[in-house]
Amino acid sequence: GENVEQHPSTLSVQEGDSAVIKCTYSDSASNYFPWYKQELGKRPQLIIDIRSNVGEKKDQRIAVTLNKTAKHFSLHITETQPEDSAVYFCAARGYRGSYIPTFGRGTSLIVHP
Amino acid sequence: DAGVTQSPTHLIKTRGQQVTLRCSPKSGHDTVSWYQQALGQGPQFIFQYYEEEERQRGNFPDRFSGHQFPNYSSELNVNALLLGDSALYLCASSFPLSYEQYFGPGTRLTVT
Repeated sequence: GENVEQHPSTLSVQEGDSAVIKCTYSDSASNYFPWYKQELGKRPQLIIDIRSNVGEKKDQRIAVTLNKTAKHFSLHITETQPEDSAVYFCAARGYRGSYIPTFGRGTSLIVHP
Repeated sequence: DAGVTQSPTHLIKTRGQQVTLRCSPKSGHDTVSWYQQALGQGPQFIFQYYEEEERQRGNFPDRFSGHQFPNYSSELNVNALLLGDSALYLCASSFPLSYEQYFGPGTRLTVT
């Protein structure tokens, strides 16, 4: 099955800095890569996603890049703000009769004011 | 437009007991997936229901079972609870064959 590795496990930055979280996946058939933000005690929320036919996608301060050859994808947050502090999960999803994602173990992002 | 809802919010059970968790999908969604999220981990897929049938299952024992009702709501049942079953149980809904899914707030299960 799919295996998703996520790094780093913890990331501490100063407000205004950029943050980058990286994930690798094992199954070359995976074709959808969502990122979720989970604040303490709250549900995971989809913040951005990318499909395998696209190399980069941007939404305001958030961008995701995908390298299918190397099987890795990254989340980039620019001009970080304290409210960006949360746990971020990447996931990889391919078709196995239905669309089931495999999640990374999460990155705890701490933005210091 | 109501999002995904789950009940109860928190639950404390004793080893060996049985538990039932409930989920109502987002309006318009008919596919429900269940996940287990242990502390400090990413969500682990348990199973998915569509048209009242279990469509796919993750690597969880038969103690974990589910059901989907005609109104698309779903239940997760866990029998013979173990301490290791303590986790946040998340429900997610989506359209069939859709990539995007929306999570509920979860049920925090503590097994003592």
